[in-house]
Amino acid sequence: QSALTQPASVSGSPGQSITISCTGTSSDVGSYNLVSWYQQHPGKAPKLMIYEGSKRPSGVSNRFSGSKSGNTASLTISGLQAEDEADYYCCSYAGSSTPHVVFGGGTKLTVL
Amino acid sequence: QVQLQESGPGLVKPSQTLSLTCTVSGGSISSGDYYWSWIRQPPGKGLEWIGYIYYSGSTYYNPSLKSRVTISVDTSKNQFSLKLSSVTAADTAVYYCARVSHWITMTSWGQGTLVTVSS
Repeated sequence: QSALTQPASVSGSPGQSITISCTGTSSDVGSYNLVSWYQQHPGKAPKLMIYEGSKRPSGVSNRFSGSKSGNTASLTISGLQAEDEADYYCCSYAGSSTPHVVFGGGTKLTVL
Repeated sequence: QVQLQESGPGLVKPSQTLSLTCTVSGGSISSGDYYWSWIRQPPGKGLEWIGYIYYSGSTYYNPSLKSRVTISVDTSKNQFSLKLSSVTAADTAVYYCARVSHWITMTSWGQGTLVTVSS
């Protein structure tokens, strides 16, 4: 299966908002409300930020929000802070005949 | 608070089999609420899902790796394991184990272990 498509990089200034897109197909993102987003700082394990498209785990700032339209999911970070600088990955369920999982290629967020 | 820890050789020769174990603490693999997954990340690249297993032994694999992957579970030791056969340099990566709910929500991750394939 093909990876989900994310922009390689995005940037923003402190306090601004940015959105990272994650484009899939009607076989994955478009068919299920099962998209999650992960933040990864250098040398660290990924951290769950958004699940089931728009839900935030306990402890994750409400500056992070998720949405979906058609085959594209999006992660929005408002009020950018320096510590938000990291790589972000989307992930979708791609069921078809047997359950499996597909990740996006990742987006490097730079806080200017 | 569940914790996961990967263990295994950091160096594997080409054509051999990579073997890793994930030990789960602070929660039971047999609880039935989660799948248990392996994910990898080649140096400087993105994440790739390898597969997951349920405590009963049901497994699902990445179609692109399916012919070489085996994931197994040992509920008595609260561990699950990965075997990847016929490895090449392209299998060099940090390998993570993770706890998964609702098919794709990886709620907890191990710290990762680097496996290098080289002679």
